Amino acid sequence: NAGVTQTPKFRILKIGQSMTLQCTQDMNHNYMYWYRQDPGMGLKLIYYSVGAGITDKGEVPNGYNVSRSTTEDFPLRLELAAPSQTSVYFCASTSVPRPRGDQPQHFGDGTRLSIL
Amino acid sequence: GENVEQHPSTLSVQEGDSAVIKCTYSDSASNYFPWYKQELGKRPQLIIDIRSNVGEKKDQRIAVTLNKTAKHFSLHITETQPEDSAVYFCAASPPVREGRRALTFGSGTRLQVQP
Repeated sequence: NAGVTQTPKFRILKIGQSMTLQCTQDMNHNYMYWYRQDPGMGLKLIYYSVGAGITDKGEVPNGYNVSRSTTEDFPLRLELAAPSQTSVYFCASTSVPRPRGDQPQHFGDGTRLSIL
Repeated sequence: GENVEQHPSTLSVQEGDSAVIKCTYSDSASNYFPWYKQELGKRPQLIIDIRSNVGEKKDQRIAVTLNKTAKHFSLHITETQPEDSAVYFCAASPPVREGRRALTFGSGTRLQVQP
């Protein structure tokens, strides 16, 4: 299994440009998440999804959109890039919790995005 | 929503000493508390987790303790080694029935183990 795969690994955007960060997982996980990590900081939740066709906002959703048309894919879209969106973006996934509680989240390698 | 505070922000220890990182959480409904290790430029990696039905869990040199009454949990690393140097994040998650099911992370602790 490849686990969680993110593309691209690095990207530089100009202010106002748009782009989609790709995330795919091959573990048949229902839950998927997008986090951003600013330098020296923890991870903040942008959006998450509990299954195909279902998405919900996290702590910092402004300026982003997501879709979940399949179990495997959870792309994150930036419509009008702003310097404040310069960050490292991590996608993660996990399986439906078992009776004893949550299952660990598996992270991708991240996308390092700079907006100039 | 949940708020997780983590201390200290930096921690320097001598090789072989113990390291302790502490976190507090605000939502008494949270029932899952993982710890992640992140090396520079890498993805967060789960190192240990604990669920609210236990008070302590150990895995070799790593242990986590949970005090539900006080709403705090701690990571203990014994016999530290230079390869333990990294940023450590704690996190908390509410139960699924709360609707929103995701991790809230602490701000991280940069651990440096001096040889």
